[in-house]
Amino acid sequence: EAQVTQNPRYLITVTGKKLTVTCSQNMNHEYMSWYRQDPGLGLRQIYYSMNVEVTDKGDVPEGYKVSRKEKRNFPLILESPSPNQTSLYFCASSLDPFEQGETEAFFGQGTRLTVV
Amino acid sequence: KQEVTQIPAALSVPEGENLVLNCSFTDSAIYNLQWFRQDPGKGLTSLLLIQSSQREQTSGRLNASLDKSSGRSTLYIAASQPGDSATYLCAVTPNTGGFKTIFGAGTRLFVKA
Repeated sequence: EAQVTQNPRYLITVTGKKLTVTCSQNMNHEYMSWYRQDPGLGLRQIYYSMNVEVTDKGDVPEGYKVSRKEKRNFPLILESPSPNQTSLYFCASSLDPFEQGETEAFFGQGTRLTVV
Repeated sequence: KQEVTQIPAALSVPEGENLVLNCSFTDSAIYNLQWFRQDPGKGLTSLLLIQSSQREQTSGRLNASLDKSSGRSTLYIAASQPGDSATYLCAVTPNTGGFKTIFGAGTRLFVKA
C-alpha cells in the first residue's frame, strides 16, 4: 500500500530537548516536504526536498533542520524545541510536482507535538 | 509574495445540494493548483490537481476549475452527502522563488443529513 508514515503520532517534550520526527514513503517519490498546521494560520511549509541531498527552506524554517540522505526518508529535526513549535506536523511526498500529470501529493497522518 | 485565500471559511448545507468552494491566489505564476480534503485528526487527501496549462479536472462528483489570469479556482461538489463533511484546502505551487507549496486556510464544510 502506497503511504507516507510519520512517527511518532503524538509527542510531548520539554523545552530544549532535541527531537526527531521521522517520515518515510514507499512510493519512490522525489519530492518530500514538511508542514506545520496551526489554528488560524493553516498549513505552512517548513522545508522541502527535491531529491536526495537537495533540500530548501519553505516559509517557516527557523528552528528546524532536515536531511535527505535516502530517497525514502525525510526526518524533521528540532535541535532545541520551544513552546512556539507546539503544532501539528505533516510530511508529504509526490513524484515530481513540476512534471505534467505526475504530481498528486500524499500526506502522512500527522504528528501532534507539544513542547512544554 | 503569493497568498492563497479561501472563501467561505465555513459552510453548512443540506444534503443533496450542489455547492462551490472558492480559492483565490495573488500571483498567477504557478505550476499547479491542488485541492485537498482533511478530516478531523487526520492527514490530507489529494482530491484534484490542475496543471497550469489545464482549465479543469473532474473526479466523480467533484469538478475543479482554474482561471490563472484572474487568480481563481473553484471546487464544485455535486449532490453533496454527509460524508463530504470535512475541511477543503487548496494549495498552489508557484513557479518562481523555489519550489514551495502555499496553502489556503481552508473551507470547513458541514453537510446536514
